[in-house]
Amino acid sequence: GEDVEQSLFLSVREGDSSVINCTYTDSSSTYLYWYKQEPGAGLQLLTYIFSNMDMKQDQRLTVLLNKKDKHLSLRIADTQTGDSAIYFCAERRGDYKLSFGAGTTVTVRA
Amino acid sequence: EAGVVQSPRYKIIEKKQPVAFWCNPISGHNTLYWYRQNLGQGPELLIRYENEEAVDDSQLPKDRFSAERLKGVDSTLKIQPAELGDSAVYLCASSPGTGYEKLFFGSGTQLSVL
Repeated sequence: GEDVEQSLFLSVREGDSSVINCTYTDSSSTYLYWYKQEPGAGLQLLTYIFSNMDMKQDQRLTVLLNKKDKHLSLRIADTQTGDSAIYFCAERRGDYKLSFGAGTTVTVRA
Repeated sequence: EAGVVQSPRYKIIEKKQPVAFWCNPISGHNTLYWYRQNLGQGPELLIRYENEEAVDDSQLPKDRFSAERLKGVDSTLKIQPAELGDSAVYLCASSPGTGYEKLFFGSGTQLSVL
């Protein structure tokens, strides 16, 4: 099974906030990432957080990390139609390898 | 600045045929990765190069898969012979460092084995 788990689908109304959740397993993970994949394209790094941080904000994106529960979330404020995509959570494990979740498909409806 | 370039974009072959994928990483990126992404899943690492050296190929099915990165720039991933289960998107990525901090992905090659 996946070391990184995410919910598969999220539907959100344009202008609302989106919250995508992720749980990971390796307590020695040093970096946690959010990647975005649009149809027919490769993955694009959106943001990342170092494991000694609780929160990181970058424009409309807010990443929250609960290291105790191994829980990561990505909040997108004022969600737009261009935010429709698959979002992948990934952890950089203690052995330096990246482990990806299966992705959350975000659909923005008007 | 050009991103990671992969070709071909799509490939359809019959099982038991050979196939090859090509990747040109971002200029100056020493580390190159090949990932396989099955439908509905996240990418899984096949092989990682630092310059021309394959430093992690533990996930590469070596009976049928091979890869090379001559001169530490472009890379080719080959499957011979292809099986039905090899149908997937093959993604190439590169990074300026060696620690997976920031990966830049190409658009991938979508392989269909019939």
